[in-house]
Amino acid sequence: GEDVEQSLFLSVREGDSSVINCTYTDSSSTYLYWYKQEPGAGLQLLTYIFSNMDMKQDQRLTVLLNKKDKHLSLRIADTQTGDSAIYFCAEVNRDDKIIFGKGTRLHILP
Amino acid sequence: DAGVTQSPTHLIKTRGQQVTLRCSPKSGHDTVSWYQQALGQGPQFIFQYYEEEERQRGNFPDRFSGHQFPNYSSELNVNALLLGDSALYLCASSLRTGMTDTQYFGPGTRLTVL
Repeated sequence: GEDVEQSLFLSVREGDSSVINCTYTDSSSTYLYWYKQEPGAGLQLLTYIFSNMDMKQDQRLTVLLNKKDKHLSLRIADTQTGDSAIYFCAEVNRDDKIIFGKGTRLHILP
Repeated sequence: DAGVTQSPTHLIKTRGQQVTLRCSPKSGHDTVSWYQQALGQGPQFIFQYYEEEERQRGNFPDRFSGHQFPNYSSELNVNALLLGDSALYLCASSLRTGMTDTQYFGPGTRLTVL
């Protein structure tokens, strides 16, 4: 079946880089997304990557895609306290539906 | 430029009741999708509306129904509420029917079923 897997928690010291990993199962995925959700809020689109790309960089965010291993990662450089949130990986599957992972809760240590 | 808005923000209902949630899409968007996010889970796709018709549907029972109006706003209706329907209901809008088009999410409506 279709599944998007993420580790549930990540703790990072302020100023370090955070790397959030995700694996997906549908090899025909066309787009992959990263969303951020702060407490009590909806989802904020952070970035997305086309399946024919290996990497995308947007300011402090770097997305790496390994299509062979169906592995996606989000790197946040110079992590700040405002980055504390839940990060969701999502894929667009062959039926054009978005499948979300359960989210990774990023905790920033002082 | 107004983003996606949802109402109400919170709602408490009892089992067996019916509920209607509302969503106004981002200005210029014509497609509305609804998601259910249970506590500690990622959002799950319920259905999508475009041109006032349901275009795609996830694995949700017929108790979940919707509507889209000519101004592109949308309603989600849930009948015969169950305790398990307690969740954050998110609305997302986009410009075309394809899921590959970037979706912008509203703040959600938190539904509690007692």
